[in-house]
Amino acid sequence: GENVEQHPSTLSVQEGDSAVIKCTYSDSASNYFPWYKQELGKRPQLIIDIRSNVGEKKDQRIAVTLNKTAKHFSLHITETQPEDSAVYFCAALRPNDYKLSFGAGTTVTVRA
Amino acid sequence: SAVISQKPSRDICQRGTSLTIQCQVDSQVTMMFWYRQQPGQSLTLIATANQGSEATYESGFVIDKFPISRPNLTFSTLTVSNMSPEDSSIYLCSVGRQGDYGYTFGSGTRLTVV
Repeated sequence: GENVEQHPSTLSVQEGDSAVIKCTYSDSASNYFPWYKQELGKRPQLIIDIRSNVGEKKDQRIAVTLNKTAKHFSLHITETQPEDSAVYFCAALRPNDYKLSFGAGTTVTVRA
Repeated sequence: SAVISQKPSRDICQRGTSLTIQCQVDSQVTMMFWYRQQPGQSLTLIATANQGSEATYESGFVIDKFPISRPNLTFSTLTVSNMSPEDSSIYLCSVGRQGDYGYTFGSGTRLTVV
């Protein structure tokens, strides 16, 4: 099955700085990579995603990059704000059964 | 994206009893999944709820412990049976449509077994 590794497990950044979270996956057939943000006590919410035919995608202050050859993808948050503080999960879709495999999560803290 | 109503939002249950969690979607969806999230942990897939047939369980999860129903394309239930304190966790349903894999999560059920 698919194995997704996520680093770092915790990340503390100064407000206004950038944050980068990295994930690797094992199944080269995986073709869809979403990122979820989960605030304390709330449901995970999709914030950005990327398909395997695209190398980079950007939405305002967040961007995701994908390197299919190396089987890794990253989330970039620029100009971080306190409301970016949350747990972020990467995931990879198994195309044979449409199931998502999740990384272990990164707790991001933005210091004011 | 689909709007999900998950009930109950939380419950405290006695060990040995069972709890049924409901997931109602405002539109037809192809895929429905049930996850468990233990405190401070990631999301672990329990099973895929298949419409009109038996659910497909992940390794470590069995139908006798987590029976699942999915009578139609908008509704599913997960039962946590013969509960023990180790079952204390958050349970979430997740839904998606064919070709749209940005799956949406329900608000979760926080279960405490005493």
